[in-house]
Amino acid sequence: DAGVIQSPRHEVTEMGQEVTLRCKPISGHNSLFWYRQTMMRGLELLIYFNNNVPIDDSGMPEDRFSAKMPNASFSTLKIQPSEPRDSAVYFCASSLNPAGPLEQYFGPGTRLTVT
Amino acid sequence: AQKITQTQPGMFVQEKEAVTLDCTYDTSDPSYGLFWYKQPSSGEMIFLIYQGSYDQQNATEGRYSLNFQKARKSANLVISASQLGDSAMYFCAMREGGLSGGYQKVTFGTGTKLQVIP
Repeated sequence: DAGVIQSPRHEVTEMGQEVTLRCKPISGHNSLFWYRQTMMRGLELLIYFNNNVPIDDSGMPEDRFSAKMPNASFSTLKIQPSEPRDSAVYFCASSLNPAGPLEQYFGPGTRLTVT
Repeated sequence: AQKITQTQPGMFVQEKEAVTLDCTYDTSDPSYGLFWYKQPSSGEMIFLIYQGSYDQQNATEGRYSLNFQKARKSANLVISASQLGDSAMYFCAMREGGLSGGYQKVTFGTGTKLQVIP
Protein backbone atom coordinates (compact mmCIF):
# COMPACT_ATOMS: atom_id res chain seq x y z
CA ASP A 1 0.00 0.00 0.00
CA ALA A 2 1.27 3.45 -0.84
CA GLY A 3 1.46 5.75 2.11
CA VAL A 4 1.28 9.50 2.04
CA ILE A 5 3.52 10.78 -0.73
CA GLN A 6 5.28 14.11 -0.54
CA SER A 7 7.45 15.86 -3.06
CA PRO A 8 10.06 17.09 -3.22
CA ARG A 9 11.87 15.41 -0.34
CA HIS A 10 14.42 18.21 -0.17
CA GLU A 11 14.19 21.75 -1.44
CA VAL A 12 16.85 24.42 -1.30
CA THR A 13 15.86 27.85 -2.53
CA GLU A 14 16.89 31.46 -2.23
CA MET A 15 15.02 34.02 -0.22
CA GLY A 16 12.24 35.60 -2.21
CA GLN A 17 11.57 32.61 -4.41
CA GLU A 18 8.26 30.78 -4.56
CA VAL A 19 8.18 27.28 -3.10
CA THR A 20 5.49 24.68 -3.73
CA LEU A 21 5.26 21.53 -1.68
CA ARG A 22 3.06 18.67 -2.85
CA CYS A 23 1.16 15.93 -1.10
CA LYS A 24 -0.81 12.90 -2.17
CA PRO A 25 -2.82 11.47 0.74
CA ILE A 26 -3.65 7.82 1.22
CA SER A 27 -6.47 6.84 -1.09
CA GLY A 28 -9.81 7.02 0.69
CA HIS A 29 -8.64 9.30 3.47
CA ASN A 30 -10.85 12.35 3.76
CA SER A 31 -8.81 14.51 6.10
CA LEU A 32 -5.48 16.10 5.27
CA PHE A 33 -3.12 18.03 7.48
CA TRP A 34 -0.04 20.16 6.82
CA TYR A 35 2.50 20.47 9.65
CA ARG A 36 5.77 22.31 10.07
CA GLN A 37 8.52 21.01 12.35
CA THR A 38 11.42 23.08 13.66
CA MET A 39 13.75 22.66 16.59
CA MET A 40 12.52 25.87 18.15
CA ARG A 41 8.77 25.45 17.74
CA GLY A 42 8.33 21.70 17.49
CA LEU A 43 5.51 20.31 15.38
CA GLU A 44 2.92 22.91 14.42
CA LEU A 45 -0.35 22.31 12.60
CA LEU A 46 -0.59 24.74 9.71
CA ILE A 47 -3.88 23.82 8.07
CA TYR A 48 -6.44 21.04 8.08
CA PHE A 49 -8.72 20.00 5.21
CA ASN A 50 -11.77 17.80 5.50
CA ASN A 51 -13.31 16.52 2.27
CA ASN A 52 -11.08 18.95 0.34
CA VAL A 53 -12.40 21.96 2.24
CA PRO A 54 -10.08 23.98 4.49
CA ILE A 55 -11.50 23.72 7.99
CA ASP A 56 -8.85 25.41 10.10
CA ASP A 57 -6.04 27.54 8.74
CA SER A 58 -5.34 29.37 11.98
CA GLY A 59 -1.86 27.85 12.08
CA MET A 60 -0.80 29.35 8.78
CA PRO A 61 1.88 31.82 9.85
CA GLU A 62 1.11 34.65 7.46
CA ASP A 63 -0.23 35.55 4.06
CA ARG A 64 2.89 34.30 2.38
CA PHE A 65 1.61 30.80 3.05
CA SER A 66 -1.29 29.31 1.12
CA ALA A 67 -2.65 25.79 0.75
CA LYS A 68 -5.03 24.21 -1.69
CA MET A 69 -6.70 20.85 -2.12
CA PRO A 70 -8.26 20.80 -5.58
CA ASN A 71 -9.29 17.15 -5.27
CA ALA A 72 -9.21 14.26 -2.84
CA SER A 73 -5.84 13.00 -4.03
CA PHE A 74 -3.72 16.13 -4.14
CA SER A 75 -2.79 19.11 -2.01
CA THR A 76 -0.21 21.86 -2.25
CA LEU A 77 1.40 24.19 0.26
CA LYS A 78 2.87 27.31 -1.32
CA ILE A 79 5.19 29.88 0.20
CA GLN A 80 5.60 33.11 -1.72
CA PRO A 81 7.94 34.82 -1.17
CA SER A 82 10.03 32.45 0.92
CA GLU A 83 12.21 33.65 3.81
CA PRO A 84 15.08 31.99 5.71
CA ARG A 85 12.85 31.56 8.77
CA ASP A 86 10.62 29.27 6.71
CA SER A 87 13.38 26.66 6.76
CA ALA A 88 11.86 23.56 8.37
CA VAL A 89 10.57 20.09 7.67
CA TYR A 90 7.04 20.19 6.31
CA PHE A 91 4.89 17.14 6.85
CA CYS A 92 1.65 16.19 5.21
CA ALA A 93 -0.60 13.71 7.00
CA SER A 94 -3.93 12.12 6.20
CA SER A 95 -6.57 10.29 8.19
CA LEU A 96 -9.67 8.27 7.53
CA ASN A 97 -13.22 8.16 8.76
CA PRO A 98 -13.84 10.84 11.37
CA ALA A 99 -15.87 8.40 13.43
CA GLY A 100 -12.83 6.24 13.99
CA PRO A 101 -9.62 6.61 15.99
CA LEU A 102 -8.44 9.23 13.53
CA GLU A 103 -4.79 8.33 13.67
CA GLN A 104 -2.89 10.36 11.14
CA TYR A 105 -0.49 8.78 8.70
CA PHE A 106 2.42 11.03 7.94
CA GLY A 107 4.36 11.44 4.76
CA PRO A 108 8.16 11.40 4.79
CA GLY A 109 8.32 15.17 4.93
CA THR A 110 9.92 17.85 2.78
CA ARG A 111 13.06 19.44 4.18
CA LEU A 112 13.02 23.07 3.07
CA THR A 113 16.09 25.26 3.28
CA VAL A 114 15.78 28.91 2.36
CA THR A 115 19.09 30.72 2.02
CA ALA B 1 -1.89 26.82 29.12
CA GLN B 2 -0.17 24.06 27.18
CA LYS B 3 -2.57 21.58 25.68
CA ILE B 4 -0.06 18.75 25.75
CA THR B 5 2.85 18.64 28.19
CA GLN B 6 5.76 16.26 27.97
CA THR B 7 8.05 17.07 30.88
CA GLN B 8 10.90 14.72 29.98
CA PRO B 9 13.07 16.19 27.23
CA GLY B 10 15.30 13.13 27.28
CA MET B 11 15.42 9.70 28.87
CA PHE B 12 17.74 6.71 28.98
CA VAL B 13 16.68 3.10 29.44
CA GLN B 14 18.61 -0.12 29.54
CA GLU B 15 17.89 -2.59 26.78
CA LYS B 16 15.17 -5.10 27.76
CA GLU B 17 13.89 -2.85 30.55
CA ALA B 18 10.49 -1.12 30.55
CA VAL B 19 10.22 2.67 30.30
CA THR B 20 7.38 5.14 30.85
CA LEU B 21 7.15 8.37 28.89
CA ASP B 22 4.95 10.98 30.53
CA CYS B 23 2.21 13.01 28.90
CA THR B 24 -0.39 15.25 30.47
CA TYR B 25 -3.11 17.07 28.59
CA ASP B 26 -5.56 19.86 29.06
CA THR B 27 -8.97 20.02 27.44
CA SER B 28 -12.55 20.86 28.33
CA ASP B 29 -13.90 18.87 25.39
CA PRO B 30 -15.56 15.65 26.62
CA SER B 31 -14.71 13.95 23.32
CA TYR B 32 -11.02 13.66 22.57
CA GLY B 33 -8.37 11.22 21.48
CA LEU B 34 -4.80 10.76 22.57
CA PHE B 35 -2.01 9.47 20.34
CA TRP B 36 1.62 8.59 20.55
CA TYR B 37 3.99 8.86 17.61
CA LYS B 38 7.58 7.77 17.20
CA GLN B 39 10.07 9.78 15.16
CA PRO B 40 13.37 7.97 14.57
CA SER B 41 16.44 9.83 13.40
CA SER B 42 15.39 9.21 9.80
CA GLY B 43 12.60 11.73 10.36
CA GLU B 44 9.39 9.91 9.57
CA MET B 45 6.48 10.07 12.02
CA ILE B 46 5.15 6.64 12.95
CA PHE B 47 1.79 6.16 14.65
CA LEU B 48 2.08 3.90 17.70
CA ILE B 49 -1.09 3.86 19.76
CA TYR B 50 -4.44 5.58 20.29
CA GLN B 51 -6.72 6.09 23.32
CA GLY B 52 -10.20 7.54 23.04
CA SER B 53 -11.64 9.58 25.88
CA TYR B 54 -14.56 7.17 26.24
CA ASP B 55 -12.50 4.00 26.08
CA GLN B 56 -12.77 2.02 29.29
CA GLN B 57 -9.68 -0.07 28.78
CA ASN B 58 -6.12 1.13 28.41
CA ALA B 59 -4.92 0.76 24.83
CA THR B 60 -2.22 -1.77 24.01
CA GLU B 61 -0.33 -2.45 20.80
CA GLY B 62 2.36 -5.09 21.10
CA ARG B 63 5.07 -3.77 23.40
CA TYR B 64 3.33 -0.39 23.68
CA SER B 65 0.63 0.38 26.20
CA LEU B 66 -1.01 3.62 27.15
CA ASN B 67 -1.59 4.26 30.85
CA PHE B 68 -4.70 6.43 30.64
CA GLN B 69 -5.71 8.20 33.85
CA LYS B 70 -8.60 10.39 32.87
CA ALA B 71 -9.08 12.15 36.21
CA ARG B 72 -5.43 13.12 36.27
CA LYS B 73 -5.47 13.97 32.57
CA SER B 74 -2.45 11.84 31.88
CA ALA B 75 -1.71 9.46 29.02
CA ASN B 76 1.68 7.93 29.63
CA LEU B 77 3.28 5.61 27.10
CA VAL B 78 4.81 2.43 28.47
CA ILE B 79 7.29 0.53 26.33
CA SER B 80 8.07 -2.92 27.63
CA ALA B 81 11.26 -4.84 26.90
CA SER B 82 13.05 -1.91 25.26
CA GLN B 83 15.02 -2.56 22.11
CA LEU B 84 17.83 -0.57 20.53
CA GLY B 85 15.47 0.31 17.69
CA ASP B 86 13.22 2.10 20.16
CA SER B 87 15.73 4.96 20.36
CA ALA B 88 13.82 7.90 18.90
CA MET B 89 11.78 11.00 19.68
CA TYR B 90 8.32 10.24 21.02
CA PHE B 91 5.45 12.67 20.65
CA CYS B 92 2.18 12.72 22.51
CA ALA B 93 -0.73 14.32 20.65
CA MET B 94 -4.35 15.12 21.31
CA ARG B 95 -7.32 15.46 19.00
CA GLU B 96 -10.24 17.45 20.36
CA GLY B 97 -13.68 16.88 18.94
CA GLY B 98 -14.39 15.14 15.68
CA LEU B 99 -16.09 11.95 16.84
CA SER B 100 -19.29 13.03 15.12
CA GLY B 101 -17.42 13.95 12.00
CA GLY B 102 -16.94 17.57 12.84
CA TYR B 103 -13.87 19.66 13.35
CA GLN B 104 -10.75 18.07 14.76
CA LYS B 105 -8.09 20.15 16.46
CA VAL B 106 -4.80 18.35 16.82
CA THR B 107 -2.01 19.43 19.17
CA PHE B 108 1.39 17.80 19.59
CA GLY B 109 3.66 17.89 22.61
CA THR B 110 7.32 18.89 22.45
CA GLY B 111 8.53 15.32 22.51
CA THR B 112 10.77 13.09 24.61
CA LYS B 113 14.04 11.77 23.23
CA LEU B 114 14.50 8.17 24.33
CA GLN B 115 17.85 6.48 24.13
CA VAL B 116 18.12 2.75 24.70
CA ILE B 117 21.46 1.65 26.10
CA PRO B 118 22.84 -1.79 25.23
